Amino acid sequence: RKEVEQDPGPFNVPEGATVAFNCTYSNSASQSFFWYRQDCRKEPKLLMSVYSSGNEDGRFTAQLNRASQYISLLIRDSKLSDSATYLCVVNPLTGGGNKLTFGTGTQLKVEL
Amino acid sequence: SQTIHQWPATLVQPVGSPLSLECTVEGTSNPNLYWYRQAAGRGLQLLFYSVGIGQISSEVPQNLSASRPQDRQFILSSKKLLLSDSGFYLCAWSKSVPLQLNEQYFGPGTRLTVT
Repeated sequence: RKEVEQDPGPFNVPEGATVAFNCTYSNSASQSFFWYRQDCRKEPKLLMSVYSSGNEDGRFTAQLNRASQYISLLIRDSKLSDSATYLCVVNPLTGGGNKLTFGTGTQLKVEL
Repeated sequence: SQTIHQWPATLVQPVGSPLSLECTVEGTSNPNLYWYRQAAGRGLQLLFYSVGIGQISSEVPQNLSASRPQDRQFILSSKKLLLSDSGFYLCAWSKSVPLQLNEQYFGPGTRLTVT
């Protein structure tokens, strides 16, 4: 089993739609979780940290379910500019150095 | 505010040639530093990380090496490039405290093509 698993997509949605991505992780001791966004041929950029109680930032909502070991990202009122690959990221707390484990990403395409 | 720089942005090198990629961070002290590689259509693979000057941890066996000669400088090197070294090389930094809970921030990356 991969440490972090994501549906690669692509998710093709019309502008204005609501879309949700899920991600599962294998290490139950993981303590911190993030969503990053990566545009084509660019570096990943931090979108949101995911807190235990869930958190919201504008049109974006992140949820954490520790019992089932999954993280979700909800995007409401999708914009064309939301088209990107969304990376689920977990700190599995193995070894030192604050290492993160990245999923391979879910591709989102928002269309007119 | 903190910024992270990488150069060069793109590089085309023949097989067997040496490599040196540089990364510098501004606006923070004693950061953790990381080198990743992303092959075409693949996920990010952690190559090296460093928690301090001269301290390098290698994550995967390969013909690459890393060095941290100064607090905010991280260098990725190779003596002889292989075709399989082609990819998108990303440097990242994170705060060193509080331990284990910090997000990482990426530089703009270097796109390396080995021919």
